[in-house]
Amino acid sequence: DSGVTQTPKHLITATGQRVTLRCSPRSGDLSVYWYQQSLDQGLQFLIQYYNGEERAKGNILERFSAQQFPDLHSELNLSSLELGDSALYFCASSVTLADNEQFFGPGTRLTVL
Amino acid sequence: AQSVTQLGSHVSVSEGALVLLRCNYSSSVPPYLFWYVQYPNQGLQLLLKYTSAATLVKGINGFEAEFKKSETSFHLTKPSAHMSDAAEYFCAVRRSGDDMRFGAGTRLTVKP
Repeated sequence: DSGVTQTPKHLITATGQRVTLRCSPRSGDLSVYWYQQSLDQGLQFLIQYYNGEERAKGNILERFSAQQFPDLHSELNLSSLELGDSALYFCASSVTLADNEQFFGPGTRLTVL
Repeated sequence: AQSVTQLGSHVSVSEGALVLLRCNYSSSVPPYLFWYVQYPNQGLQLLLKYTSAATLVKGINGFEAEFKKSETSFHLTKPSAHMSDAAEYFCAVRRSGDDMRFGAGTRLTVKP
């Protein structure tokens, strides 16, 4: 158990819908990262937040957005969902911005029908 | 920008045999290198990391990796495979302050 929690574990929805994935980092970790893992794209970095502020952006679509709240939990919002958005979404956390060890949550499996 | 190449999307070994999973990186400056393991239906777990202290890095579950700057490699090894080692393994690279870049992954199968 890494100490990072993600909810829900599974999510099934339809094309065009909007969903919110939630992540609680390990106690004391200020940095949160979101990743998408799919069969065709592999594991891709989406976005990073540090202490409430966006710090780095990866291959995140404009239909996707995220935020980190004052209590440091983070949410990833996916809208206008397409079939190709079906994937495992992981959240990871680390203590500091420069910390090089990230602790991963168990993931949320999103299925878009 | 840094990137990672994992040679071989699937590796199969017999129980008790040597495990060798290959990873090559490209980076213009000395990077931080990582190996993660992912068991079915689980998140990624850190096996080991290289942060320029020692070139031979020992990790959990008997795995180790050697950083070879001349070869830009960070191959993962384990002397004797166990059935419980069957999983997907990811090599990753990061420069301080940059985002983590993962390889495509290598699925390890261990035959009895």
